[in-house]
Amino acid sequence: EIVLTQSPATLSLSPGERATLSCRASQSVSTYLSWFQQKPGQAPRLLIYNASNRAPDIPARFSGSGSGTDFTLTISSLEPEDFAIYYCQQRSNWPPTFGQGTKVEIK
Amino acid sequence: DVQLVESGGGLVKPGGSLRLSCAASGFFFSNYSMNWVRQAPGKGLEWVSSISSNSNYKYYADSVKGRFTISRDNAKNSLFLQMNSLRAEDTAVYFCAKSRLFDYWGQGTVLTVSS
Repeated sequence: EIVLTQSPATLSLSPGERATLSCRASQSVSTYLSWFQQKPGQAPRLLIYNASNRAPDIPARFSGSGSGTDFTLTISSLEPEDFAIYYCQQRSNWPPTFGQGTKVEIK
Repeated sequence: DVQLVESGGGLVKPGGSLRLSCAASGFFFSNYSMNWVRQAPGKGLEWVSSISSNSNYKYYADSVKGRFTISRDNAKNSLFLQMNSLRAEDTAVYFCAKSRLFDYWGQGTVLTVSS
């Protein structure tokens, strides 16, 4: 199965700062890579699919890039509601797999 | 609006069985594949199972293969997960999620496997 490795494990930033989250795949997933946000006690929410497409109603400050094995989620200017855990997921090969998550916390 | 509502979770003894349900509304359920994903306490997301729109294709994680069965009733806009031979390591919040994109998720139902 394809292993997704996210880095860093924790990102400590202040509101207004730029967040850059990384996801690396153990083999190419083309652009079949999604990003999800999860807040405590809530279900995950799809942010980005196919590496760079924002899901409906997702603010423009969220952007995704990459292809093959290296992907990035960028939050251009952190809002208070953006502090959460972010997961990448690939659907290129069965089984679909998730990264271990990156926690974005308030500095 | 798309809505997914899971139910059926609870406390079960090791070796026991349980059936989870997911009621869907706000979209043409029969047009989309569906998924189950779980999250153990304090852990990340783990894909469990997927089913195609017409039930022709079913996929399972190795950790549940042979013990869990996914099914759906398109007439009732419902997704199910029959779980047998439950183990402590199956303890988790179980989410249903819509489509190959996992674009909408329910709020989850809690399964605890403990004696």
